[in-house]
Amino acid sequence: DGGITQSPKYLFRKEGQNVTLSCEQNLNHDAMYWYRQDPGQGLRLIYYSQIVNDFQKGDIAEGYSVSREKKESFPLTVTSAQKNPTAFYLCASSTRTSGGYQETQYFGPGTRLLVL
Amino acid sequence: QKEVEQDPGPLSVPEGAIVSLNCTYSNSAFQYFMWYRQYSRKGPELLMYTYSSGNKEDGRFTAQVDKSSKYISLFIRDSQPSDSATYLCAMRILTGGGNKLTFGTGTQLKVEL
Repeated sequence: DGGITQSPKYLFRKEGQNVTLSCEQNLNHDAMYWYRQDPGQGLRLIYYSQIVNDFQKGDIAEGYSVSREKKESFPLTVTSAQKNPTAFYLCASSTRTSGGYQETQYFGPGTRLLVL
Repeated sequence: QKEVEQDPGPLSVPEGAIVSLNCTYSNSAFQYFMWYRQYSRKGPELLMYTYSSGNKEDGRFTAQVDKSSKYISLFIRDSQPSDSATYLCAMRILTGGGNKLTFGTGTQLKVEL
């Protein structure tokens, strides 16, 4: 089955610890995205990548880092610099149409990060 | 002022009712509009998307876009308890911008028996 997988489903972070959230897709999509969802604030873009080995900051990149070494994978690291990391993290992907426009984004099931 | 405004609800309706969910936006460059459904503790699921003004129908769902008023709506006919979820509107400019989506905060819908 094609789709987007995220792991783990729940993640606990201790003070001062870096943690990495996994996102994998087998849809052959070019672009991948990371969002953060907080109650009452909707989804906010952290980072996005349109091609392998390239990525751009979104609206709230501070305290986060990403890599895009493979087309299928776009891991997100929540660093100790992120002072309020408790949130629901969503990964998405999309592909480019023949006209050059990106298709609509499709989302994974999410990872809930909690601080101990 | 947020670029996309959406009433958070909660909106409670009886089974079988017609539901109207709405978003307004301020950026006239937005040209591509989407509705997502999100069940509790799950990822958003794409329901409908459209480029143009007017109506687009898919089963019990109708998406309506009025670009002159910067207003979009999602109508759900014959609502079912399984429609109980949070509905997110999203939109973006058509080209460039890295396909960045701007989301509303979501409207929580509860369909009661």
